[in-house]
Amino acid sequence: KAGVTQTPRYLIKTRGQQVTLSCSPISGHRSVSWYQQTPGQGLQFLFEYFSETQRNKGNFPGRFSGRQFSNSRSEMNVSTLELGDSALYLCASSPVGMNTEAFFGQGTRLTVV
Amino acid sequence: QQQVKQSPQSLIVQKGGISIINCAYENTAFDYFPWYQQFPGKGPALLIAIRPDVSEKKEGRFTISFNKSAKQFSLHIMDSQPGDSATYFCAASRADNDMRFGAGTRLTVKP
Repeated sequence: KAGVTQTPRYLIKTRGQQVTLSCSPISGHRSVSWYQQTPGQGLQFLFEYFSETQRNKGNFPGRFSGRQFSNSRSEMNVSTLELGDSALYLCASSPVGMNTEAFFGQGTRLTVV
Repeated sequence: QQQVKQSPQSLIVQKGGISIINCAYENTAFDYFPWYQQFPGKGPALLIAIRPDVSEKKEGRFTISFNKSAKQFSLHIMDSQPGDSATYFCAASRADNDMRFGAGTRLTVKP
């Protein structure tokens, strides 16, 4: 069974640009959550989608948004990039939600210059 | 957002020794407590998890001890090996699907 796939693995963007990250969950999993990981702040919850609906949202500005498609694949978008957005962005998939077994992808390393 | 406190920040253990990492949580609504292991350049991997109706769960060399009244839980790694050297995260989540992570513990197992 294939794991969680995140693309691209690495990205370098310029301040002010926007970026879209993609996550393909494990087959059959309907819940996709996104996290930002930085050395200073650790793992911080961004949002969670289930059956194309955002069920929960963390404490991030509106520049961070996401969506989920009917095949459970998810994308997150960050607009007007800031230097502080440089981080590892992780996607986790689970059958029904993050209070059950959740599996992470390898992440997308975003560098904003 | 920090609702799960993890200690120690770093831990050095000799091969064959016991590694112990502790976590404390605040929100009594949490009902699922997993531990994740992360190697450099990789995403976190689910190691073991427990629910609050159980006080202990063991899988191989890894054991979670859970104290509901104290709102604390810990990970014990028995017979620690150099290959266990990684960063470990405790986490807590609840039915509305918001999982909170501890700050992480960098474990080094010396040969």
